[in-house]
Amino acid sequence: ETGVTQTPRHLVMGMTNKKSLKCEQHLGHNAMYWYKQSAKKPLELMFVYNFKEQTENNSVPSRFSPECPNSSHLFLHLHTLQPEDSALYLCASSQAGDINEKLFFGSGTQLSVL
Amino acid sequence: EDQVTQSPEALRLQEGESSSLNCSYTVSGLRGLFWYRQDPGKGPEFLFTLYSAGEEKEKERLKATLTKKESFLHITAPKPEDSATYLCAVRISNYQLIWGAGTKLIIKP
Repeated sequence: ETGVTQTPRHLVMGMTNKKSLKCEQHLGHNAMYWYKQSAKKPLELMFVYNFKEQTENNSVPSRFSPECPNSSHLFLHLHTLQPEDSALYLCASSQAGDINEKLFFGSGTQLSVL
Repeated sequence: EDQVTQSPEALRLQEGESSSLNCSYTVSGLRGLFWYRQDPGKGPEFLFTLYSAGEEKEKERLKATLTKKESFLHITAPKPEDSATYLCAVRISNYQLIWGAGTKLIIKP
């Protein structure tokens, strides 16, 4: 496998459920990100991990809980979500310190909260 | 307030009809402007990085330019496979990008 892989691709959950999104990168990068993409809105940065340490948390509600066990894996744990949390959740990685610092994205998890 | 605005929201062109997409920005300190392409059902894919006014980058039918207030993505003689949403983002800190909402480009054969 190459690039950034996200699972599942689609997820439907009720407001009382608990689920997790998984991201794995095979690029040897040391920074990983969670973004939220809602229809016709700009991407919103949620969390950033650099060398497994969380460096950014953009005032994300506590019902979203990230976990980064190593530099290749990133999880987003979800619980008691709201319908407005329905969106495409994108994982990305980059090589921190790279002058271009371009992001490599996965294909995302399309989340629907009922 | 840091802000990135893309226009138009959507653009329909005939195959071969050249045009430009706009990304205007208001940020306190530009540390790079990025262009990405996003196909339906996929994550954004990196195209270009521009750092200073006057800089230009080219890739196949695409050329990106940068001024002190905006960037243009020029598309020359587009083909249907160029249809996608094009996203612009401005770096304001080590990990923070301010993104535009994108321009959806449709090229009709």
